[in-house]
Amino acid sequence: QQQVKQSPQSLIVQKGGISIINCAYENTAFDYFPWYQQFPGKGPALLIAIRPDVSEKKEGRFTISFNKSAKQFSLHIMDSQPGDSATYFCAASKETSGSRLTFGEGTQLTVNP
Amino acid sequence: GAVVSQHPSRVICKSGTSVKIECRSLDFQATTMFWYRQFPKQSLMLMATSNEGSKATYEQGVEKDKFLINHASLTLSTLTVTSAHPEDSSFYICSARGDNYGYTFGSGTRLTVV
Repeated sequence: QQQVKQSPQSLIVQKGGISIINCAYENTAFDYFPWYQQFPGKGPALLIAIRPDVSEKKEGRFTISFNKSAKQFSLHIMDSQPGDSATYFCAASKETSGSRLTFGEGTQLTVNP
Repeated sequence: GAVVSQHPSRVICKSGTSVKIECRSLDFQATTMFWYRQFPKQSLMLMATSNEGSKATYEQGVEKDKFLINHASLTLSTLTVTSAHPEDSSFYICSARGDNYGYTFGSGTRLTVV
């Protein structure tokens, strides 16, 4: 019930293309769904997050789409750039109770110039 | 925004010695801190959760006597790897959470035990 499944494991996109990463969760008590970006040798940095009362959130080139009935959420990176090449993790938590984040397995994104 | 400082960023120690990693919340009070371990090309694995002034809660399979966690104040938590061995070599990351703040991560510590 605590798992978060993430796909794909790796993704290669051309510069200017759209990168799409998907996650699915099981625990319907989760109320906070962040995406993190991690560069080699660094800690994860919050990219964008959504709560289940909205179906979409956009910040610049990054968009989260959230489907509560399907228990799925996805990250879309528009106009992908080589600087976006990193590992992306989705996560979920029951934030209102201050509980732990449950992470997906991660997606290694490579954006070719 | 919320900032978490983690030190050192890299440490090399001899087998059998102990290493302490510090995690500080710089501009907010961290009521809860989380410690993670990450192996190459893998996700973050939660080791333990600590609340200020109380004992840490360890995840199943994590040796509490080996990985000592102290959360003595609302801005500082430490992880001490005792009697380190080569298999303890890994990337350790802390995360802090305070009231009205989400989960903010430190920059990580690369531990190499030789």
